[in-house]
Amino acid sequence: DQQVKQNSPSLSVQEGRISILNCDYTNSMFDYFLWYKKYPAEGPTFLISISSIKDKNEDGRFTVFLNKSAKHLSLHIVPSQPGDSAVYFCAASDGRDDKIIFGKGTRLHILP
Amino acid sequence: DAGVTQSPTHLIKTRGQQVTLRCSPKSGHDTVSWYQQALGQGPQFIFQYYEEEERQRGNFPDRFSGHQFPNYSSELNVNALLLGDSALYLCASSGDRGPFTGELFFGEGSRLTVL
Repeated sequence: DQQVKQNSPSLSVQEGRISILNCDYTNSMFDYFLWYKKYPAEGPTFLISISSIKDKNEDGRFTVFLNKSAKHLSLHIVPSQPGDSAVYFCAASDGRDDKIIFGKGTRLHILP
Repeated sequence: DAGVTQSPTHLIKTRGQQVTLRCSPKSGHDTVSWYQQALGQGPQFIFQYYEEEERQRGNFPDRFSGHQFPNYSSELNVNALLLGDSALYLCASSGDRGPFTGELFFGEGSRLTVL
């Protein structure tokens, strides 16, 4: 049973436009939500997180929005750059012991 | 400052064999988690080690076992390999005792192919 769902396997966005990646979750015990980015032949790297007590967290070009009532979060990247082409994993945790549950990922292609 | 290092990077085994994968955490980190990433899937949590003990375990059979050493490095052992064990095995470390951020530091992974 997938607790963290990314329903779009891939997404293509023009360079300079906004990329929006979506994620849904089912477990109400999750307290923290995270986005990781993965390039080929590398391990995932942490991008941004948000606590369940917030509805928005921003870090430079990256903003994560959380809608607890809908159990939905999204990652906005603006403006999108070629180096943003990667697989993005949505993840969640109950915040107690570093156990992170990942979604299947969305492959983002930034088009020139 | 060395990050998370894993060995070997690639290996090929046959069904029924056993494999040991190794991980050295980032300097200053005391917690090691292991993840399995099958093709087209996200990383799946196998287990986590802290203070040389298994602290949490995901939905993996007993064929998957691990160990953490006093220097915080860790091993993942898989016995009686099945074709379905073919995957990228990722080690992640954590341990900064400040407020929880969810930031794990991952190694590049060990890609296991079972024939």
